[in-house]
Amino acid sequence: NAGVTQTPKFQVLKTGQSMTLQCAQDMNHNSMYWYRQDPGMGLRLIYYSASEGTTDKGEVPNGYNVSRLNKREFSLRLESAAPSQTSVYFCASSYRDTTNEQFFGPGTRLTVL
Amino acid sequence: GESVGLHLPTLSVQEGDNSIINCAYSNSASDYFIWYKQESGKGPQFIIDIRSNMDKRQGQRVTVLLNKTVKHLSLQIAATQPGDSAVYFCAEANSNSGYALNFGKGTSLLVT
Repeated sequence: NAGVTQTPKFQVLKTGQSMTLQCAQDMNHNSMYWYRQDPGMGLRLIYYSASEGTTDKGEVPNGYNVSRLNKREFSLRLESAAPSQTSVYFCASSYRDTTNEQFFGPGTRLTVL
Repeated sequence: GESVGLHLPTLSVQEGDNSIINCAYSNSASDYFIWYKQESGKGPQFIIDIRSNMDKRQGQRVTVLLNKTVKHLSLQIAATQPGDSAVYFCAEANSNSGYALNFGKGTSLLVT
C-alpha cells in the first residue's frame, strides 16, 4: 500500500514551458486535492475533485488545469509556467464524508526560472 | 474573509516538557478541525481531529482542545521528544463547503 504518490519529485522549468504533475492514490479514496505551499506558509488549495468525473476550483486556481483521469489519478497541468508558480506542490486524497482526513503525498518541488 | 491563524510562529521547548500549540479560527460555521505535522521535506501527516460537538479529544501523547466560545483550538503534546520537532498546522472545515480544509500558516516546534 503506497498511499499517495507524486511524480516528479523535483522539476526546473523556464518561463513559458508547460508540464504536468502526476498524482496517484491506492486507498480507494473518493476525493483528491492539489495544494501549493510557499516558504513559511500554509497550504493553499488549487483544485480538488470531490469524486471521479468532477473537478472544482480552490483558492488559487489561476494558471492551472486539472484532470481526474480515473478514481486513482489526479493530474495538475501548468500550461505556461511563471516564476510566481515556483512552489512545493502537494497532492492529497480522502474519503470526504463527514470528516476530511486527507492523506498527503511527498510533494513536488517546482522552480520556474 | 474567514481565516485560520496561529498565535505564535515558533515554539521552543525542552525535551520532556509538554508543548501547547494554539490556533484561532474565525469561521463560526466551522464544524471540523484537524491538526497536521509536517517534517522538513515531507508532506503533512495527520495527527488528530475533532468535531465541533466535542471540546476535547485525546490520542497517543496528544490532546486537542476546542473552545467554540472564543473560537480557539489547541494541540497539547505530552513529554515532547526530539522527533516532535516539525511545523504544525491547524485546519478547519465545514459541511457548507463540503469539508474543504482551510489551513493556517503553521507553528514551528523546536525541541532542544
